[in-house]
Amino acid sequence: QVQLQESGPGLVKPSETLSLTCTVSGGSISAYFWTWIRQPPGKGLQWTGYIYSSGTTNYNPSLESRVTISLDTSKRQFSLRLTSVTAADTAVYYCARRSSYGGFFDYWGQGILVTVSS
Amino acid sequence: DIQMTQSPSTLSASVGDRVTITCRASQSIVNRLAWYQQKPGKPPKFLIYEASSLESGVPSRFSGSGSGTEFTLTISSLQPDDFATYYCQQYHSYSYTFGQGTKLEIK
Repeated sequence: QVQLQESGPGLVKPSETLSLTCTVSGGSISAYFWTWIRQPPGKGLQWTGYIYSSGTTNYNPSLESRVTISLDTSKRQFSLRLTSVTAADTAVYYCARRSSYGGFFDYWGQGILVTVSS
Repeated sequence: DIQMTQSPSTLSASVGDRVTITCRASQSIVNRLAWYQQKPGKPPKFLIYEASSLESGVPSRFSGSGSGTEFTLTISSLQPDDFATYYCQQYHSYSYTFGQGTKLEIK
């Protein structure tokens, strides 16, 4: 059974960099797209970006200038970096696996709330 | 980006009711649509892909239909566990987008 677990600081100051890590257990890292999705409090879901097991990335155009997703297959981890954060980046951040059959997300982490505040 | 619009935003229903949620895309997405169920404080749960294919383990009272720009999620006989928020998501474009959600409440 595939399990994903997010980790990282729950509080980030404005203008600083948000950094999160997702650890994957069970299943294969290869041939999947590893994804970050966020959800501001009380709001809907926003796809942030993904990294394929080969290292290819694809980002939400609205965040592309600030976001980087990286993958460490030896640690079975992938990471999110979001620079120059503002209060609008406050959200629950989920890591998820995009299915190899299509662009839907079949496994999700429990999510981590990141608050941007001084 | 392809915009996804769900209706209604909130739906009140009773156990045993048949309910339908609609999701419209701003352009054709063929059948590249997924549905998720989310309960408070939990991650979304994947229900349906390719507009009408049920994920393994999802109860058969859930069904999806549609193609092009209009899609529906139907729950044939509501159970207490089904009261949650439902989201559609398109994956026709590589900039994936979700609907704003439909909250299914107990009447």
